[in-house]
Amino acid sequence: NAGVTQTPKFRVLKTGQSMTLLCAQDMNHEYMYWYRQDPGMGLRLIHYSVGEGTTAKGEVPDGYNVSRLKKQNFLLGLESAAPSQTSVYFCASSALVPRISNQPQHFGDGTRLSIL
Amino acid sequence: AQKVTQAQTEISVVEKEDVTLDCVYETRDTTYYLFWYKQPPSGELVFLIRRNSFDEQNEISGRYSWNFQKSTSSFNFTITASQVVDSAVYFCALSERGTGANSKLTFGKGITLSVRP
Repeated sequence: NAGVTQTPKFRVLKTGQSMTLLCAQDMNHEYMYWYRQDPGMGLRLIHYSVGEGTTAKGEVPDGYNVSRLKKQNFLLGLESAAPSQTSVYFCASSALVPRISNQPQHFGDGTRLSIL
Repeated sequence: AQKVTQAQTEISVVEKEDVTLDCVYETRDTTYYLFWYKQPPSGELVFLIRRNSFDEQNEISGRYSWNFQKSTSSFNFTITASQVVDSAVYFCALSERGTGANSKLTFGKGITLSVRP
């Protein structure tokens, strides 16, 4: 009963390094999302995808790229990490249900990322 | 633009007390959806409830109840007879129908609830 799985769970990077966060869901959900959570800020949407091969910008997309080559996977990339990107990153997915829109999102356990 | 305000940042109660978490939202859309999520100390986000803008009926689930009032743009969450396990950060979130069926969420900043034994 995996649901949404994020890897890695923790990572420390140096400024300027690159890395990719992986999100995998086994619920056959159409929609996937990447959020970041910072103290006192709630969760903010970085990028999202409405289907395989499609991505779109959210509220705070700068400094991040995403790809959705397979329906079950959604990758978040940091090309040149900056200390401002220190955060907890959450991936989520939601279902496409005919005539019943805006289904609840199911979240992964988060990735804690520190940029030194 | 849509906005969710959770004015309370931290609440501390003693076990068995009732507690209400406030949520006020702003939207120009006539069709929208409201959600509550719980984030316990372990860090995961747990879905609690989804309510659409056409359904103003209050909902009760065990010790949890939700009061949706369109007239005041509020969707408040009450925990009756609180327990230590209710200690968590609670997020209210809004999704507009106008964004399509992909349910992008705008979150409030969260309320940290501490329940003391």
